[in-house]
Amino acid sequence: GENVEQHPSTLSVQEGDSAVIKCTYSDSASNYFPWYKQELGKRPQLIIDIRSNVGEKKDQRIAVTLNKTAKHFSLHITETQPEDSAVYFCAASRDHNTDKLIFGTGTRLQVFP
Amino acid sequence: DAGVTQSPTHLIKTRGQHVTLRCSPISGHKSVSWYQQVLGQGPQFIFQYYEKEERGRGNFPDRFSARQFPNYSSELNVNALLLGDSALYLCASSLEGSGNQPQHFGDGTRLSIL
Repeated sequence: GENVEQHPSTLSVQEGDSAVIKCTYSDSASNYFPWYKQELGKRPQLIIDIRSNVGEKKDQRIAVTLNKTAKHFSLHITETQPEDSAVYFCAASRDHNTDKLIFGTGTRLQVFP
Repeated sequence: DAGVTQSPTHLIKTRGQHVTLRCSPISGHKSVSWYQQVLGQGPQFIFQYYEKEERGRGNFPDRFSARQFPNYSSELNVNALLLGDSALYLCASSLEGSGNQPQHFGDGTRLSIL
């Protein structure tokens, strides 16, 4: 069935370092891959997304890469700041007719000053 | 422009009761989806509605139902509440609900079952 695995579950980095979060999906028909940032007690916030016809997308300090062959996509945050501390979720969607997202289990990122 | 709005923000119910949660999408968005987020986990898809019709259903029992109104707002209903229904219920909206468009979430309704 549909499944998205996410690693690591927790990640601690020093301010200014880079952080990488990895996800693997099971359904080869998946074609849309968003990333959400969720701060404690707040809504999931869309930070970047990528479609299956693109291998990489960048937005300032955030980038996402997609390897369709390996069914694997990653979030890269450079020059991390304390305000990047949050739980990050990857997700995958396979259907052109529904918005159903399959979420990963989340990565708690802590950036220490 | 207002984002996705949900009400109420918090709700406490007892087992066996029913609950109605409400969601207003971003202006211009026609699709609304509902997700359940249990503490420490990622959101799980419950329903999607587009143009008042159900477009997708997750693996939830029939106690869960929803509908969408002509103004694209939506209600999620849960009957015969169980302790395990305690969770954050999130609503998300998108423009056309076609599966490869950004979805934006509301702040959620935190439901506690005693």
